[in-house]
Amino acid sequence: DAGVTQSPTHLIKTRGQQVTLRCSPKSGHDTVSWYQQALGQGPQFIFQYYEEEERQRGNFPDRFSGHQFPNYSSELNVNALLLGDSALYLCASSIDRIYGYTFGSGTRLTVV
Amino acid sequence: KNQVEQSPQSLIILEGKNCTLQCNYTVSPFSNLRWYKQDTGRGPVSLTIMTFSENTKSNGRYTATLDADTKQSSLHITASQLSDSASYICVVSTTSGTYKYIFGTGTRLKVLA
Repeated sequence: DAGVTQSPTHLIKTRGQQVTLRCSPKSGHDTVSWYQQALGQGPQFIFQYYEEEERQRGNFPDRFSGHQFPNYSSELNVNALLLGDSALYLCASSIDRIYGYTFGSGTRLTVV
Repeated sequence: KNQVEQSPQSLIILEGKNCTLQCNYTVSPFSNLRWYKQDTGRGPVSLTIMTFSENTKSNGRYTATLDADTKQSSLHITASQLSDSASYICVVSTTSGTYKYIFGTGTRLKVLA
């Protein structure tokens, strides 16, 4: 039983570029949440997708957008990258919107 | 404001020793509390989850306690191993507001041989 799968594992981008990160939830899970984790910090909530719609959003600018597909997989898009966007991006899936989070291994994004 | 604070920020212990990590929270309404272990550069892995009515939960050498009255939790690691070196994150869940999961900043544990 595959857990949460994220791709790519590592990514290097230049300031001003755009990036797309991908997440496949654990089998049977229908809710996907995205988190940004800066070095030495706890994860910060970006947004959550359920039934292909953004249901909740954290304190992140509109440069951060996402999408959920009918198969429950999800993408996180970040436009106009800033150096401060360098972080570990974590995807977490659950079978409902509150309990039972399972995290992926993350995508390490470096903006240079 | 919903907050989760963890202490100490970092901890170094010798292999085989025990240690206790602390988590204080001001989250309301409280739903549940989880402890996660996060290896460097990896996603967090759940160790324990406790609801309001539970005051202790074990997972192998990891034992979590919860005092809902004082809003404190602890994670006790027994007979530490080198593989216990990681960050331990306390996460409190609430049923109210946008941030359903309130994350602590974690305790970085290093176990030395």
